[in-house]
Amino acid sequence: EAQVTQNPRYLITVTGKKLTVTCSQNMNHEYMSWYRQDPGLGLRQIYYSMNVEVTDKGDVPEGYKVSRKEKRNFPLILESPSPNQTSLYFCASTRQGAMNYGYTFGSGTRLTVV
Amino acid sequence: DQQVKQNSPSLSVQEGRISILNCDYTNSMFDYFLWYKKYPAEGPTFLISISSIKDKNEDGRFTVFLNKSAKHLSLHIVPSQPGDSAVYFCAAPYKVDQFYFGTGTSLTVIP
Repeated sequence: EAQVTQNPRYLITVTGKKLTVTCSQNMNHEYMSWYRQDPGLGLRQIYYSMNVEVTDKGDVPEGYKVSRKEKRNFPLILESPSPNQTSLYFCASTRQGAMNYGYTFGSGTRLTVV
Repeated sequence: DQQVKQNSPSLSVQEGRISILNCDYTNSMFDYFLWYKKYPAEGPTFLISISSIKDKNEDGRFTVFLNKSAKHLSLHIVPSQPGDSAVYFCAAPYKVDQFYFGTGTSLTVIP
């Protein structure tokens, strides 16, 4: 089944403790992206990658890092999480040049930083 | 400054009736628009898109209308079904492969 898989689905952590949210897609998509969803703000892009070793900042990159060492994986790293990073996170992918067909999204990771 | 706006956070409709979800945008240069549907505890899923050179696109019960002069698009669902209850997002690309998303409209279809 074609899908984007995120792990974990739920995570509660403490301020300052480094964490990684993994994202993997099995569709050989070039393009991957991370979004966060917050009430009243919709989906906002954190980082994106147009291919292996090519990453760039989205609208809200502060406090996050990403890497794209392999085509299928695009982990999101929070080096020192803070409470304002409590949010619902989505990873998404698409074939480059097929954006009018939309992203395929993962099921989301609900992160709580206390 | 939100480039894509959904001004109605929620909408309730009787089963069998028409649901109309609205989206306004500010940038006339958007080439196309998309609608996504999101159920609780799931990621958004692509629903339907429309090119800026068209004014209507239809897929089964779902039709998207684009009014370029008003910078407005709408999603019509006819007839509405309880399984359509979800949050709907509109989106528009501002760069290659990058999108602005609206804040979403939560649709409840009442049986």
